[in-house]
Amino acid sequence: ETGVTQSPTHLIKTRGQQVTLRCSSQSGHNTVSWYQQALGQGPQFIFQYYREEENGRGNFPPRFSGLQFPNYSSELNVNALELDDSALYLCASSAAPGNYNEQFFGPGTRLTVL
Amino acid sequence: RKEVEQDPGPFNVPEGATVAFNCTYSNSASQSFFWYRQDCRKEPKLLMSVYSSGNEDGRFTAQLNRASQYISLLIRDSKLSDSATYLCAVESYNTDKLIFGTGTRLQVFP
Repeated sequence: ETGVTQSPTHLIKTRGQQVTLRCSSQSGHNTVSWYQQALGQGPQFIFQYYREEENGRGNFPPRFSGLQFPNYSSELNVNALELDDSALYLCASSAAPGNYNEQFFGPGTRLTVL
Repeated sequence: RKEVEQDPGPFNVPEGATVAFNCTYSNSASQSFFWYRQDCRKEPKLLMSVYSSGNEDGRFTAQLNRASQYISLLIRDSKLSDSATYLCAVESYNTDKLIFGTGTRLQVFP
């Protein structure tokens, strides 16, 4: 078991609503990356936070935003939800950006948008 | 062309078989390569990093072919417990972004 936790585990929202997903990083890790995984697809990089600053962003619109707190936990916020936002949202923590050998994923939040 | 491509499968193989997956990547400057395993409705877990010299971990062997821009994963003596989706991932050049393929589904049957 990794020390990465995510909440909630499941969420159902309707189009146009807003959602906040949470991630607690493993102890000693200061970097959190967020991914979206649609059904039958691989995870797609949304953005990464390193020491409370955004450190890279994938091809996602501005309605996807994030935050990292002093304890390195992180939030992903999605505004104006669309049906295509239905997916598994994964966060992963690591001791440093690019340290993928020591990057661990949380169990994910499954978001359904109706 | 996608940055990282995999055959989605499924690969259906009997126990004891040897199976190989390939994954191609488009950016020749990519430096870091990985194989992940993902069980149904679970998070991905790092299976192996892939080095230029190739690496082996028990029944699993990963190789990198820079000239043809692909990585491979070989599983020998397949077990029922190997049934999962195998994702390849490539670190996008000069960023801290990890790009995943769509995954290859493996089903090992008795």
